This record gives sequence, C-alpha cells and structure tokens, in this order.
Amino acid sequence: SQQGEEDPQALSIQEGENATMNCSYKTSINNLQWYRQNSGRGLVHLILIRSNEREKHSGRLRVTLDTSKKSSSLLITASRAADTASYFCASRGSGYALNFGKGTSLLVTP
Amino acid sequence: KAGVTQTPRYLIKTRGQQVTLSCSPISGHRSVSWYQQTPGQGLQFLFEYFSETQRNKGNFPGRFSGRQFSNSRSEMNVSTLELGDSALYLCASSQGQPSYEQYFGPGTRLTVT
Repeated sequence: SQQGEEDPQALSIQEGENATMNCSYKTSINNLQWYRQNSGRGLVHLILIRSNEREKHSGRLRVTLDTSKKSSSLLITASRAADTASYFCASRGSGYALNFGKGTSLLVTP
Repeated sequence: KAGVTQTPRYLIKTRGQQVTLSCSPISGHRSVSWYQQTPGQGLQFLFEYFSETQRNKGNFPGRFSGRQFSNSRSEMNVSTLELGDSALYLCASSQGQPSYEQYFGPGTRLTVT
C-alpha cells in the first residue's frame, strides 16, 4: 500500500534551474530511496538515505531527511532536459517492501 | 555487472487466461521483489523472495503468486486474468537486508483485453 506523498505532483522548470521535490511518509523507516522513471519504463535508483543521516549528495542531487517530520526532499541542481521524468520516493521500514509515493512529474524545457 | 532483466517486455492476454512473468536479478543478489504499477494505484508491493522463500507479501488476491529458484531467478504468475490486472510489473533485486538498495528491471507491460 502507498505510504508516502510527493509534492508537488507536477513541476515545470527551465534548463539550468533547480528542481525541488518533497516527500512525506507515515511510519518509522530504516531508509528512504529516491527513484527516477522515464515514460513508464523501469525505475532507476538515484540515492538512498538512512534514517540516521540528515543529508546526502550524489552529483547534482541533494537529498535531505527529517525523521521528526517524516519528510524528505530531493534537490536537482542545474536541471537539464534529460532530467525530465517522474521521481518517486520510497520508504523502507524494518520489512522488505518499499512503500512508494505517487511521484512528482518533472518537465525541464530548453 | 548486468542489471535486472525481465521477460517478456510486453504481453497481451485475454481475460480469464493466466500469465507467467520472469525476472533475473543482478548477479549475487538473493532477494527479488515484485511490484505492480498502475495509473490509479501507483506502485504497489506484491511479494518478496529470498533464498527461495517468500518473506513478505502485499495485499493482493491469491491469483497472484510467485516463486524463486535456486539461482535466484524468480517468476510471478497471475491466474484468471482480469481487466484490472493490466499494469506494468516491475521486479527489483537486492542483496537482501532492508538497509540495502533495490534495483529495478525495465518491467513487463501486461495488457488484458
């Protein structure tokens, strides 16, 4: 069952701008993972942040985690047209299932 | 390393038929999970296997089943297909513990007519 919510549902920006997506979840987590999906294809793993971490970087990606607010954010800096995709956060508790949010659809225009 | 592979990539079936989807995990990964993605319900967890044992199951009817082989390859089966089973079925592999990343395959697009 879906546990999280992403905000906004859709985001349109121009190349070079930064894109910020937020995610909320409901129960305690072991970690939270962010994925990208292009046009109904497979999910590409972007980054994993553990419950004891507050911030993590990977290239142009920056993820933050606030366990007290049960929320996370994904920042993509200097966006490119190739970043156009849907972005999902997925929380993982002590079990083995990922609980996905509904995703944010990002459109980056040249 | 090769990524997660899923076969077939596309499938069209008729209501009432059954279907089997296959997933080969990343070499060395012993955990395979299956997810269903639909426009209405989003991404939902079906089940997870580790070393041929089902460890976790989502809230799906018994028509959905799966298994894992000794080489970690997994299959999922859907019997008595319904129109609502039309979806993208995604397989993910992992090293096994909740703290590890899950890597997804390209998915199988199932259309039930």
